[in-house]
Amino acid sequence: EPEVTQTPSHQVTQMGQEVILRCVPISNHLYFYWYRQILGQKVEFLVSFYNNEISEKSEIFDDQFSVERPDGSNFTLKIRSTKLEDSAMYFCASRVTGGWEQYFGPGTRLTVT
Amino acid sequence: AQKITQTQPGMFVQEKEAVTLDCTYDTSDPSYGLFWYKQPSSGEMIFLIYQGSYDQQNATEGRYSLNFQKARKSANLVISASQLGDSAMYFCAMRELISNFGNEKLTFGTGTRLTIIP
Repeated sequence: EPEVTQTPSHQVTQMGQEVILRCVPISNHLYFYWYRQILGQKVEFLVSFYNNEISEKSEIFDDQFSVERPDGSNFTLKIRSTKLEDSAMYFCASRVTGGWEQYFGPGTRLTVT
Repeated sequence: AQKITQTQPGMFVQEKEAVTLDCTYDTSDPSYGLFWYKQPSSGEMIFLIYQGSYDQQNATEGRYSLNFQKARKSANLVISASQLGDSAMYFCAMRELISNFGNEKLTFGTGTRLTIIP
């Protein structure tokens, strides 16, 4: 069964550094999402991406964040200058046109020290 | 704006018993959908069950069923014959249309930590 993959599974970075989280959505999906879950809290929507542009972003998704689909398979989330409060699990999800289910990847745990 | 409320931060249930996890929601959209996800300690989000607002019957998936009461705006998850492997965090979520291109986002509740006691 096709699945969403994410790399790395865990990343440790120092405050102020740039990080890129990578996702490979399911191949025939056209809607892509990033969500964040701070430890012990609920999952929060960050951004949705369709037709090579952002279609919606939350107030969390400020100028430090950016997303990109650099080729036909990858979908990336970049945090330009990480802060301690960016430490969280980041989930990528994708959805097929006309479908209701967002398929979640296994997540990347980001630790900012 | 949408809102999902899960009022049970934690629950302890004896193995083999049934358990109901509560979820209420608030939306003004006539078309919406409700999900339940399981999150074990390893962290991944596992899809369990989905109910569309226009679905006539309550959704069922194996041991999972969704008790959908539209007038009360509740979508409770029922797990029958609980097993030790059911111990996890459970999240209720609702899909919200966010653009004219059929795009959507999910809004999650705060979750319920379920512990199954042998």
